[in-house]
Amino acid sequence: QKEVEQNSGPLSVPEGAIASLNCTYSDRGSQSFFWYRQYSGKSPELIMFIYSNGDKEDGRFTAQLNKASQYVSLLIRDSQPSDSATYLCAVGVSSSNTGKLIFGQGTTLQVKP
Amino acid sequence: DTEVTQTPKHLVMGMTNKKSLKCEQHMGHRAMYWYKQKAKKPPELMFVYSYEKLSINESVPSRFSPECPNSSLLNLHLHALQPEDSALYLCASSPGGNEKLFFGSGTQLSVL
Repeated sequence: QKEVEQNSGPLSVPEGAIASLNCTYSDRGSQSFFWYRQYSGKSPELIMFIYSNGDKEDGRFTAQLNKASQYVSLLIRDSQPSDSATYLCAVGVSSSNTGKLIFGQGTTLQVKP
Repeated sequence: DTEVTQTPKHLVMGMTNKKSLKCEQHMGHRAMYWYKQKAKKPPELMFVYSYEKLSINESVPSRFSPECPNSSLLNLHLHALQPEDSALYLCASSPGGNEKLFFGSGTQLSVL
Protein backbone atom coordinates (compact mmCIF):
# COMPACT_ATOMS: atom_id res chain seq x y z
CA GLN A 1 0.00 0.00 0.00
CA LYS A 2 1.60 3.25 -1.15
CA GLU A 3 1.48 5.92 1.54
CA VAL A 4 2.20 9.58 2.05
CA GLU A 5 2.65 10.77 5.62
CA GLN A 6 2.29 14.29 6.97
CA ASN A 7 2.00 15.67 10.47
CA SER A 8 -1.59 16.90 10.73
CA GLY A 9 -0.62 19.79 13.01
CA PRO A 10 -1.71 22.40 13.60
CA LEU A 11 1.64 24.01 12.98
CA SER A 12 1.60 27.47 14.49
CA VAL A 13 4.16 30.11 13.52
CA PRO A 14 4.32 33.86 14.12
CA GLU A 15 3.95 36.25 11.23
CA GLY A 16 7.24 36.77 9.43
CA ALA A 17 8.72 33.43 10.51
CA ILE A 18 9.67 30.46 8.34
CA ALA A 19 7.12 27.65 8.26
CA SER A 20 8.50 24.18 7.54
CA LEU A 21 6.14 21.44 6.41
CA ASN A 22 7.31 17.88 5.94
CA CYS A 23 6.17 14.81 4.07
CA THR A 24 7.47 11.25 3.69
CA TYR A 25 6.41 8.72 1.09
CA SER A 26 6.71 4.98 0.67
CA ASP A 27 6.78 4.53 -3.15
CA ARG A 28 10.52 4.51 -3.87
CA GLY A 29 9.89 4.78 -7.60
CA SER A 30 7.89 8.02 -7.41
CA GLN A 31 9.17 10.75 -9.72
CA SER A 32 6.77 13.64 -9.16
CA PHE A 33 5.95 15.58 -6.02
CA PHE A 34 3.46 18.34 -5.42
CA TRP A 35 2.33 20.73 -2.72
CA TYR A 36 -1.23 21.97 -2.71
CA ARG A 37 -2.71 24.67 -0.50
CA GLN A 38 -6.34 24.36 0.51
CA TYR A 39 -8.33 27.02 2.31
CA SER A 40 -11.35 25.91 4.29
CA GLY A 41 -14.29 25.23 1.97
CA LYS A 42 -12.19 25.72 -1.17
CA SER A 43 -10.50 23.38 -3.63
CA PRO A 44 -6.78 22.50 -3.56
CA GLU A 45 -4.50 24.95 -5.33
CA LEU A 46 -1.15 23.82 -6.73
CA ILE A 47 1.63 25.95 -5.27
CA MET A 48 4.82 23.94 -5.91
CA PHE A 49 5.99 20.91 -7.82
CA ILE A 50 9.39 19.24 -7.88
CA TYR A 51 10.78 16.33 -9.87
CA SER A 52 14.52 16.33 -9.07
CA ASN A 53 16.54 16.06 -5.89
CA GLY A 54 17.44 19.36 -4.32
CA ASP A 55 15.70 22.68 -3.81
CA LYS A 56 13.25 24.55 -5.98
CA GLU A 57 12.35 28.13 -5.13
CA ASP A 58 9.35 30.19 -6.23
CA GLY A 59 8.88 33.48 -4.43
CA ARG A 60 8.45 32.82 -0.71
CA PHE A 61 8.10 29.07 -1.29
CA THR A 62 10.90 26.50 -1.46
CA ALA A 63 10.28 22.82 -2.12
CA GLN A 64 12.98 20.36 -1.12
CA LEU A 65 13.25 16.77 -2.31
CA ASN A 66 15.47 13.96 -1.08
CA LYS A 67 14.62 10.77 -2.95
CA ALA A 68 17.15 8.67 -1.03
CA SER A 69 15.39 9.53 2.22
CA GLN A 70 11.94 9.58 0.54
CA TYR A 71 11.33 13.00 1.99
CA VAL A 72 9.74 16.17 0.62
CA SER A 73 9.42 19.46 2.40
CA LEU A 74 7.93 22.90 1.83
CA LEU A 75 9.40 26.04 3.36
CA ILE A 76 7.38 29.23 3.49
CA ARG A 77 9.48 32.30 4.24
CA ASP A 78 8.08 35.50 5.74
CA SER A 79 4.85 33.71 6.66
CA GLN A 80 1.69 35.79 6.44
CA PRO A 81 -1.71 35.27 8.08
CA SER A 82 -3.05 34.65 4.55
CA ASP A 83 -0.83 31.54 4.42
CA SER A 84 -3.02 29.96 7.10
CA ALA A 85 -4.47 26.91 5.35
CA THR A 86 -4.10 23.16 5.01
CA TYR A 87 -1.11 22.07 2.94
CA LEU A 88 -1.43 18.77 1.11
CA CYS A 89 1.60 16.81 -0.05
CA ALA A 90 0.90 14.68 -3.12
CA VAL A 91 3.14 12.07 -4.73
CA GLY A 92 2.83 10.58 -8.20
CA VAL A 93 2.35 6.82 -8.26
CA SER A 94 5.27 5.27 -10.11
CA SER A 95 3.22 2.44 -11.60
CA SER A 96 0.69 4.84 -13.12
CA ASN A 97 1.12 6.79 -16.37
CA THR A 98 -2.17 8.66 -15.93
CA GLY A 99 -1.18 11.11 -13.23
CA LYS A 100 -2.54 9.20 -10.26
CA LEU A 101 -1.53 10.98 -7.05
CA ILE A 102 -1.46 9.80 -3.48
CA PHE A 103 -2.28 12.60 -1.05
CA GLY A 104 -1.10 12.94 2.51
CA GLN A 105 -3.60 13.85 5.22
CA GLY A 106 -2.51 17.48 5.11
CA THR A 107 -0.84 19.80 7.62
CA THR A 108 -2.83 22.71 9.00
CA LEU A 109 -0.73 25.86 9.22
CA GLN A 110 -1.72 28.75 11.45
CA VAL A 111 0.18 32.03 11.05
CA LYS A 112 -0.45 34.32 14.00
CA PRO A 113 -0.21 38.11 13.56
CA ASP B 1 -4.96 29.85 -18.36
CA THR B 2 -5.11 27.05 -15.79
CA GLU B 3 -8.85 27.07 -15.24
CA VAL B 4 -11.04 24.06 -14.69
CA THR B 5 -14.71 25.03 -14.48
CA GLN B 6 -17.21 23.00 -12.47
CA THR B 7 -20.97 23.38 -12.24
CA PRO B 8 -22.99 23.58 -10.13
CA LYS B 9 -21.09 24.94 -7.14
CA HIS B 10 -23.68 23.60 -4.71
CA LEU B 11 -26.18 20.78 -5.09
CA VAL B 12 -28.79 19.39 -2.73
CA MET B 13 -30.51 16.20 -3.81
CA GLY B 14 -32.77 13.53 -2.40
CA MET B 15 -31.86 9.87 -2.42
CA THR B 16 -34.21 9.15 -5.35
CA ASN B 17 -33.01 12.01 -7.55
CA LYS B 18 -30.82 11.88 -10.64
CA LYS B 19 -28.40 14.74 -11.12
CA SER B 20 -25.19 15.44 -13.02
CA LEU B 21 -22.01 17.32 -12.21
CA LYS B 22 -20.19 18.99 -15.07
CA CYS B 23 -16.56 19.88 -15.62
CA GLU B 24 -14.82 21.70 -18.46
CA GLN B 25 -11.22 22.55 -19.30
CA HIS B 26 -9.73 24.27 -22.35
CA MET B 27 -6.06 23.75 -21.64
CA GLY B 28 -5.69 20.85 -24.04
CA HIS B 29 -5.05 18.50 -21.12
CA ARG B 30 -5.34 14.82 -22.02
CA ALA B 31 -6.28 13.50 -18.59
CA MET B 32 -9.32 14.39 -16.46
CA TYR B 33 -10.22 13.21 -12.99
CA TRP B 34 -13.01 13.03 -10.43
CA TYR B 35 -12.07 13.22 -6.77
CA LYS B 36 -14.26 13.11 -3.67
CA GLN B 37 -13.27 14.98 -0.52
CA LYS B 38 -14.86 14.73 2.90
CA ALA B 39 -14.30 17.41 5.52
CA LYS B 40 -10.78 17.42 7.01
CA LYS B 41 -9.72 14.53 4.75
CA PRO B 42 -7.53 14.51 1.65
CA PRO B 43 -9.07 14.14 -1.82
CA GLU B 44 -9.83 10.54 -2.80
CA LEU B 45 -9.51 9.53 -6.42
CA MET B 46 -12.68 8.17 -8.03
CA PHE B 47 -12.09 8.05 -11.80
CA VAL B 48 -9.43 8.93 -14.37
CA TYR B 49 -10.03 9.49 -18.06
CA SER B 50 -7.05 9.48 -20.39
CA TYR B 51 -7.59 10.47 -24.01
CA GLU B 52 -11.35 10.30 -23.36
CA LYS B 53 -11.19 6.68 -22.22
CA LEU B 54 -11.80 5.52 -18.68
CA SER B 55 -8.42 4.34 -17.41
CA ILE B 56 -8.96 4.14 -13.66
CA ASN B 57 -12.08 3.34 -11.61
CA GLU B 58 -11.20 3.16 -7.93
CA SER B 59 -13.97 0.64 -7.17
CA VAL B 60 -16.55 3.40 -7.05
CA PRO B 61 -20.20 2.30 -6.50
CA SER B 62 -22.31 2.19 -9.65
CA ARG B 63 -24.55 4.98 -8.37
CA PHE B 64 -21.72 7.21 -9.65
CA SER B 65 -21.39 7.09 -13.43
CA PRO B 66 -18.70 9.09 -15.21
CA GLU B 67 -18.84 10.23 -18.80
CA CYS B 68 -16.31 11.98 -21.03
CA PRO B 69 -18.15 13.31 -24.12
CA ASN B 70 -15.00 14.92 -25.55
CA SER B 71 -11.50 15.96 -24.55
CA SER B 72 -12.72 19.13 -22.81
CA LEU B 73 -15.74 17.85 -20.92
CA LEU B 74 -16.24 15.47 -18.04
CA ASN B 75 -19.53 14.61 -16.38
CA LEU B 76 -20.44 12.68 -13.26
CA HIS B 77 -23.96 11.27 -13.24
CA LEU B 78 -25.48 10.67 -9.82
CA HIS B 79 -28.38 8.34 -9.06
CA ALA B 80 -29.81 6.92 -5.84
CA LEU B 81 -27.11 8.43 -3.68
CA GLN B 82 -26.85 7.92 0.06
CA PRO B 83 -26.41 10.61 2.73
CA GLU B 84 -22.83 9.41 3.26
CA ASP B 85 -22.09 10.47 -0.32
CA SER B 86 -22.37 14.09 0.80
CA ALA B 87 -18.96 15.63 0.10
CA LEU B 88 -17.02 18.08 -2.05
CA TYR B 89 -16.64 16.65 -5.56
CA LEU B 90 -13.58 17.89 -7.36
CA CYS B 91 -12.76 17.71 -11.03
CA ALA B 92 -9.14 18.02 -12.11
CA SER B 93 -7.15 17.90 -15.30
CA SER B 94 -3.50 17.38 -16.17
CA PRO B 95 -1.38 17.46 -19.31
CA GLY B 96 -0.83 13.76 -18.72
CA GLY B 97 1.62 11.36 -17.20
CA ASN B 98 2.87 12.32 -13.78
CA GLU B 99 2.32 15.99 -14.36
CA LYS B 100 0.61 18.69 -12.37
CA LEU B 101 -3.08 18.34 -11.56
CA PHE B 102 -5.23 21.44 -11.67
CA PHE B 103 -8.44 21.33 -9.68
CA GLY B 104 -11.74 23.03 -10.34
CA SER B 105 -13.56 24.87 -7.57
CA GLY B 106 -15.65 21.82 -6.74
CA THR B 107 -19.30 20.98 -6.22
CA GLN B 108 -20.48 20.80 -2.62
CA LEU B 109 -23.03 18.00 -2.66
CA SER B 110 -25.56 17.34 0.08
CA VAL B 111 -27.72 14.21 -0.08
CA LEU B 112 -30.84 14.33 2.06
